[in-house]
Amino acid sequence: GESVGLHLPTLSVQEGDNSIINCAYSNSASDYFIWYKQESGKGPQFIIDIRSNMDKRQGQRVTVLLNKTVKHLSLQIAATQPGDSAVYFCAENDYKLSFGAGTTVTVRA
Amino acid sequence: EADIYQTPRYLVIGTGKKITLECSQTMGHDKMYWYQQDPGMELHLIHYSYGVNSTEKGDLSSESTVSRIRTEHFPLTLESARPSHTSQYLCASSGGPGTSPLHFGNGTRLTVT
Repeated sequence: GESVGLHLPTLSVQEGDNSIINCAYSNSASDYFIWYKQESGKGPQFIIDIRSNMDKRQGQRVTVLLNKTVKHLSLQIAATQPGDSAVYFCAENDYKLSFGAGTTVTVRA
Repeated sequence: EADIYQTPRYLVIGTGKKITLECSQTMGHDKMYWYQQDPGMELHLIHYSYGVNSTEKGDLSSESTVSRIRTEHFPLTLESARPSHTSQYLCASSGGPGTSPLHFGNGTRLTVT
């Protein structure tokens, strides 16, 4: 079936370095994509979204890139901080689809 | 701070008991969802609602049921809890015209002994 999925289950990053989390999707008709962050013991929180008429969108220390040709989405976190340690999920606009397992980001001091 | 509230936060209950997990949102969102998530695993959609008196099953089969009598309230009920129901249950809502992100509660961690 159609779904979104993350490339790597875990990512270890040195504090201060940039992080890149990747995601692939299969539904070429999807026109809205969202990244969520889930900290331990909490529900997922919205980080940033992007619509299919855009290739790039920037927020505070985060950038989302969308490549519709290869159906690939990435989240870049600049100057990663200990508070960025969490599980990151990508999702597409059809909420009836389940999320993937997420990428667990661990920040090394 | 979350505008979507789930209670209880933790629940330990014996097999065969009936339980209701509460979810309320103060944002006036029409769309509400229940997800099930095991530790370190993906979220699976088990129920959703697009408005009052509208409920649908998600892609993960669940023995739970839901109701949507009021816009702000979307409770989930298990008539007879079993150890296989042990999991985290996350409620979410979304609103606004067209597509918009989900707002999640902090979940109910259910343990059935």
